[in-house]
Amino acid sequence: GEDVEQSLFLSVREGDSSVINCTYTDSSSTYLYWYKQEPGAGLQLLTYIFSNMDMKQDQRLTVLLNKKDKHLSLRIADTQTGDSAIYFCAESPTGGGNKLTFGTGTQLKVEL
Amino acid sequence: GAVVSQHPSRVICKSGTSVKIECRSLDFQATTMFWYRQFPKQSLMLMATSNEGSKATYEQGVEKDKFLINHASLTLSTLTVTSAHPEDSSFYICSARGGNINYGYTFGSGTRLTVV
Repeated sequence: GEDVEQSLFLSVREGDSSVINCTYTDSSSTYLYWYKQEPGAGLQLLTYIFSNMDMKQDQRLTVLLNKKDKHLSLRIADTQTGDSAIYFCAESPTGGGNKLTFGTGTQLKVEL
Repeated sequence: GAVVSQHPSRVICKSGTSVKIECRSLDFQATTMFWYRQFPKQSLMLMATSNEGSKATYEQGVEKDKFLINHASLTLSTLTVTSAHPEDSSFYICSARGGNINYGYTFGSGTRLTVV
């Protein structure tokens, strides 16, 4: 089955850039997503990338996709305290009934 | 656009009782909704895929008689936890696939269930 891995924890200083990494195993992944979850809340879609793209930038967010290595990253520029949350990558395979497979989640802590 | 409303946000119930959680897509039609369970500090575990007008598809290991899913309309899916036990205490989250891929999968705000 699909497997999506992330590092568990990342700590950065306010104003620095954060890079959250994700690796996946399903080579048929078509859409890859990044979600943000604040404590006790649901998931907020941050951005997504199609598998035929290498990079996507959206304001402070930059997504890089290395399809050969099955590696996805999310870079947050000028990280703020409000960015502290758990970040999940997720993938959706082609024809997979549109199911999402989530990564293990990375807790981002932004320190002053 | 693409808002999913989930209620209740918190519920405490006694062992043996049943609890119903509602998931509504407010501004789009969702032919497919998903129900997830999340344990503390863990990722989301897909429980079942709910299709409007048909039976839900449950993931392996999820008891369909315990977690009843109904998707009677294009905007509403419900999850009923029957004969709840303390081990059913968890955070339950629904999501719906919006018609516009730009929205990806829109998630509800989750329901914290505590069974005492």
